Amino acid sequence: NAGVMQNPRHLVRRRGQEARLRCSPMKGHSHVYWYRQLPEEGLKFMVYLQKENIIDESGMPKERFSAEFPKEGPSILRIQQVVRGDSAAYFCASSPPTSGGGETQYFGPGTRLLVL
Amino acid sequence: AQKITQTQPGMFVQEKEAVTLDCTYDTSDQSYGLFWYKQPSSGEMIFLIYQGSYDEQNATEGRYSLNFQKARKSANLVISASQLGDSAMYFCAMRDDSTGFGNEKLTFGTGTRLTIIP
Repeated sequence: NAGVMQNPRHLVRRRGQEARLRCSPMKGHSHVYWYRQLPEEGLKFMVYLQKENIIDESGMPKERFSAEFPKEGPSILRIQQVVRGDSAAYFCASSPPTSGGGETQYFGPGTRLLVL
Repeated sequence: AQKITQTQPGMFVQEKEAVTLDCTYDTSDQSYGLFWYKQPSSGEMIFLIYQGSYDEQNATEGRYSLNFQKARKSANLVISASQLGDSAMYFCAMRDDSTGFGNEKLTFGTGTRLTIIP
């Protein structure tokens, strides 16, 4: 049973380029979350998606950032016109459809984005 | 709004000793979940243990236990018989469960860096 998959594991971009981060949830999981971790800090929530729906994007910056979880394929976090401050580790987590109880989020290995 | 506070930025513990990592939280929600995750130097986030706010018993998972004191709003992680492989960052996190869907976002603390000394 494969865990949450993220790729690439490391991504280097120059200022102004686009970054695309991919996340494949665990088998049977239909809920995907994206978090950002700046150096020496805890994780900060960005967005929560289900298939073809954005449920909560309260943590997403208003500009340049977007996320999707299409009917087929992985979830994508897209950062346009990257700046040095976007350098961080981006984690994806997934959880199963709720049964009304506490559903644990399982994390992928993260994508380390470095903006030069 | 929810807030998690971890007041110990770093801890050094002798191998085989027990260690307690502190976590306090602040919320106005009646139903919530508390989590601990471990982040080794390799960077991945590993789920350790979960406690629901209505659970009367403290959660345990192998060498991990969660000392849940609801009135004090604390959810300390206890690791018994520490091992060298326990050296890592440890994050406490909280989730609002008041909607009943159990799939809300997590709010994380700033973490505690635990180092086990041989």
